[in-house]
Amino acid sequence: AQRVTQPEKLLSVFKGAPVELKCNYSYSGSPELFWYVQYSRQRLQLLLRHISRESIKGFTADLNKGETSFHLKKPFAQEEDSAMYYCALRLLKAGGTSYGKLTFGQGTILTVHP
Amino acid sequence: DAGVIQSPRHEVTEMGQEVTLRCKPISGHDYLFWYRQTMMRGLELLIYFNNNVPIDDSGMPEDRFSAKMPNASFSTLKIQPSEPRDSAVYFCASSPLGPSAGELFFGEGSRLTVL
Repeated sequence: AQRVTQPEKLLSVFKGAPVELKCNYSYSGSPELFWYVQYSRQRLQLLLRHISRESIKGFTADLNKGETSFHLKKPFAQEEDSAMYYCALRLLKAGGTSYGKLTFGQGTILTVHP
Repeated sequence: DAGVIQSPRHEVTEMGQEVTLRCKPISGHDYLFWYRQTMMRGLELLIYFNNNVPIDDSGMPEDRFSAKMPNASFSTLKIQPSEPRDSAVYFCASSPLGPSAGELFFGEGSRLTVL
């Protein structure tokens, strides 16, 4: 069965410092990887997905199939980045279509101090 | 569209009571998911539906939990009888097919406290 692991429950950095939220997955097939974010008093929402290969709010994430990782990075953290971050995985079928089920990690609470 | 709508937002009940959580997905979305969020386990998938049909309920903790989707615009998650360990935030989410498949749109959650 697929599994997503976020080893850090809490992560604290100072404003302007680089930040990396770790995500490892276990699945032998082709996965789709996502990062979701939940800001205080807001709904859980999609931050980015690996197939888009885009930078959102300064965050990037690269899928490393060799290391089965999808770490989220930002070179200069801002206070407004403080939130709960979830890494998630969805399975891809052989034809490229997807199963609907999304498996989430345990989440990492990021706190950016002024 | 108001997004995914969940009710109630907060529920406090006593052990043994029946709890019913409700969800209205975004119109036109083919998938509906129920997740449970706890500090210890993060977000756990309980069950999901495709076109109102339950596809995977392997995450439902035990027989005390049941979920239904009688039509495309409504779903319920029921716990009977409730226990203190069921205390958590329960999220409903919906997702479309097509290019946006994989993006889940979440409700605000129902915070359940079982005393």
